Amino acid sequence: QLQLQQSGPGLVKPSETLSLTCTVSGGSISSNNYHWGYIRQPPGKGLEWIGTIYYTGNTHYNPSLKDRVSISVDTSKNQFSLRLRSVTAADTAVYYCARERTTDWYGIYYYGVDVWGQGTTVTVSS
Amino acid sequence: QSVVTQPPSASGTPGQRVTISCSGSTSNIGSNNAYWYQQLPGMAPKLLIYRSNQRPSGVPDRFSGSKSGTSASLAISGLRSEDEADYYCAAWDDSLSGPVFGGGTKLTVL
Repeated sequence: QLQLQQSGPGLVKPSETLSLTCTVSGGSISSNNYHWGYIRQPPGKGLEWIGTIYYTGNTHYNPSLKDRVSISVDTSKNQFSLRLRSVTAADTAVYYCARERTTDWYGIYYYGVDVWGQGTTVTVSS
Repeated sequence: QSVVTQPPSASGTPGQRVTISCSGSTSNIGSNNAYWYQQLPGMAPKLLIYRSNQRPSGVPDRFSGSKSGTSASLAISGLRSEDEADYYCAAWDDSLSGPVFGGGTKLTVL
């Protein structure tokens, strides 16, 4: 059964860069039917899609974060990573890596997030 | 403030049928499928309903989804104490070119 294991620091200083890595086990990241992404949940609030990457390196980002976010993939390590620059307290959240079932990045092909990582609580504070 | 809106809370007694609603717009639920996720306390969300009314394997048939126009609904029949959780609706948004989530509904089993 495919699992996603997250790693990365739980505390980041304001104006610095948040970096998280998600390791895929029990399956290949190089699959035609899936995209890989990050979703976050601020304390006591709902979920927010951050962005997604395909194993070829093609990315899609939430426009509200597009200027600060980048997602990369390393197929040799079966990993994908998030970098969020210039963080503020508003970026404090639980960050989830996720597998999104879709053959292409259009709504008609989308089947939802079927596998989630365990979540990483990231606090932005000096 | 979420693009997709849900009531913040819902409740029911064991065995009862409860419904959670979700309201969107023409750019999301109105033109795409709806999705529902269950989040138990301290856990990651879990896909409950996909493409408006489909259940992933392992999800009991007590859970069902529907969509009409720019709204979607999740129904839970035969309510159990273990159904107490937060429920999130979601949909693909054509303006965002990605998924949008509702603010979540906290279901309490009385």
